[in-house]
Amino acid sequence: QSVVTQPPSASGTPGQRVAISCSGSTSNIGINLVDWYQQVPGAAPKLLFYSSNQRPSGVPDRFSASKSGTSASLAISGLQSEDEADYYCAVWDDSLNGFVFGTGTKVTVL
Amino acid sequence: QLQLQESGPGLVKPSQTLSLTCTVSGGSISSGHYSWTWVRRPAGRGLEWIGRIFSSGSATYNPSLKSRVTISLDTSKNQFSLKLSSVTASDTAVYYCARGHALDIWGQGTMVTVSS
Repeated sequence: QSVVTQPPSASGTPGQRVAISCSGSTSNIGINLVDWYQQVPGAAPKLLFYSSNQRPSGVPDRFSASKSGTSASLAISGLQSEDEADYYCAVWDDSLNGFVFGTGTKVTVL
Repeated sequence: QLQLQESGPGLVKPSQTLSLTCTVSGGSISSGHYSWTWVRRPAGRGLEWIGRIFSSGSATYNPSLKSRVTISLDTSKNQFSLKLSSVTASDTAVYYCARGHALDIWGQGTMVTVSS
């Protein structure tokens, strides 16, 4: 089981705002930068954010990310049907000396 | 632009060694200060980091897999490879290769089933 935890699911109707939490510890999120990935069914994961809040080109600005202490969060504003996917936070863990993915959150658009 | 493509057997017998290759096209695997990573996703479960290798050849592995994993680089072929020994059914997964510390470019993934 991962040392970084996320809620298993989140949902919203089109146009709503959805937030996903990512909880870690002082050996990972507390001291390192967080990435976020989106995985649509049947496709490879896609980088949504790096360095906790940096958005790669092409990622819509209705996606936002932040980090505070040992937690991070991803928010999707103006939810769209194409946002239905699994979302993962990820971070280096100094105690494990390895990269750790969060447990993942399935976002459903109702 | 840079592209990654996984290749290898889709079926491996229990106790044998799983071997996959990631071919990098559109750029050199030796340029820059990138690392090259393997990730897997078992059916019904989340993403799992397997390990990474730097262009220097230095590699770091997931502690839970470390005793069974080797990642290597072949700069002459612009490829990097994964070997996972003594596989069991729990190693059945889609395996992905990716570039960077933040994994900004991914291969499409390849399904590997461990079964006799």
